Amino acid sequence: ETGVTQTPRHLVMGMTNKKSLKCEQHLGHNAMYWYKQSAKKPLELMFVYSLEERVENNSVPSRFSPECPNSSHLFLHLHTLQPEDSALYLCASSQSGLAGEETQYFGPGTRLLVL
Amino acid sequence: QKEVEQDPGPLSVPEGAIVSLNCTYSNSAFQYFMWYRQYSRKGPELLMYTYSSGNKEDGRFTAQVDKSSKYISLFIRDSQPSDSATYLCGFGGYQKVTFGTGTKLQVIP
Repeated sequence: ETGVTQTPRHLVMGMTNKKSLKCEQHLGHNAMYWYKQSAKKPLELMFVYSLEERVENNSVPSRFSPECPNSSHLFLHLHTLQPEDSALYLCASSQSGLAGEETQYFGPGTRLLVL
Repeated sequence: QKEVEQDPGPLSVPEGAIVSLNCTYSNSAFQYFMWYRQYSRKGPELLMYTYSSGNKEDGRFTAQVDKSSKYISLFIRDSQPSDSATYLCGFGGYQKVTFGTGTKLQVIP
């Protein structure tokens, strides 16, 4: 399998549930990202991991918790979410640090609905 | 002033038309410029990227960058119904890309 994959593709959860989103990249990249995409808004960067170390957290609420066990896998753990967290969550990867290689490649996303 | 401005559309054109999609930006530190295409219920797909002012062509697509005016464009020639999607402009620096809101394009057969 190639590219960036995400599971599950669709998720419905209650506000008291705990769930996790999974992302896997097969491109040999060393940086991975979580984005949130809501209707009529730009993509919002949530987390950046480079060489498995978190390098950026754009003031994301603590109910979102990322985990990057290795350079190929990225998780987003969710707990006590709010209805306004319903969105498309996108994972991306890139090869950082080399000129011409920072372009990001996206997975298909997880469509999340919080009831 | 927003860092990136992109006309949200929607834009409807007949099949075969030339499409022009545009973004302006205010951050002079942006190093590279991208266009992504996103079909409904899919993730964004990298379409084109470039680093310098001028034109870059790839098949029916031409990306244009004018750094002095802080303006980028994507032209689609001979547009097809399969080009119907949302087009996102992206502006990059080290490990961070800033995106526009996207322009929704519909090509009518």
